[in-house]
Amino acid sequence: DGGITQSPKYLFRKEGQNVTLSCEQNLNHDAMYWYRQDPGQGLRLIYYSQIVNDFQKGDIAEGYSVSREKKESFPLTVTSAQKNPTAFYLCASSTRDSGSYEQYFGPGTRLTVT
Amino acid sequence: QKEVEQDPGPLSVPEGAIVSLNCTYSNSAFQYFMWYRQYSRKGPELLMYTYSSGNKEDGRFTAQVDKSSKYISLFIRDSQPSDSATYLCAMTSYTGTASKLTFGTGTRLQVTL
Repeated sequence: DGGITQSPKYLFRKEGQNVTLSCEQNLNHDAMYWYRQDPGQGLRLIYYSQIVNDFQKGDIAEGYSVSREKKESFPLTVTSAQKNPTAFYLCASSTRDSGSYEQYFGPGTRLTVT
Repeated sequence: QKEVEQDPGPLSVPEGAIVSLNCTYSNSAFQYFMWYRQYSRKGPELLMYTYSSGNKEDGRFTAQVDKSSKYISLFIRDSQPSDSATYLCAMTSYTGTASKLTFGTGTRLQVTL
């Protein structure tokens, strides 16, 4: 089955630790995205990538880093510099062929930092 | 002021009712308008998209865009308990290899028996 997988589903970390969230897709999509969702704030774009080895900052990139070494994979690192890291993180992908506005989302990772 | 405004609800309706969900926006450059459905603790799934103004129908769902008023709507006919979810509107002005979507905060819908 084609789709987007995110792991783990739940992640707990202590303050001051970096943590990496996994996102893999087998849809052969060129573009991948990371969003953050907080209660009452909708989805906000952290980073996106249009092609391997290239990525751009979204609206709230501070305290996050990404890499795109393979087309299928777009991991997100939440660094200790992120002031409020507890949130629901969503990965998405899209293809230009059907319109990159059609973004397909993974199941999400809920990160809790204490 | 947010670029996209959406009433968070919750909106509670009886089964079989017609539901109207709405978003307003301020950026006149937006051309593509999407509606996503998100069940609790899940990722959003794309329901419908519309380009520019007009209506689009898909089964029980109808999406409507009024660019002159900067107002979009999603209508759900014959609502079912399985429609209970949060509905997010999203929009963008550009669609190339990647699109930066701007989302509303979502409206939580509860369809009761």
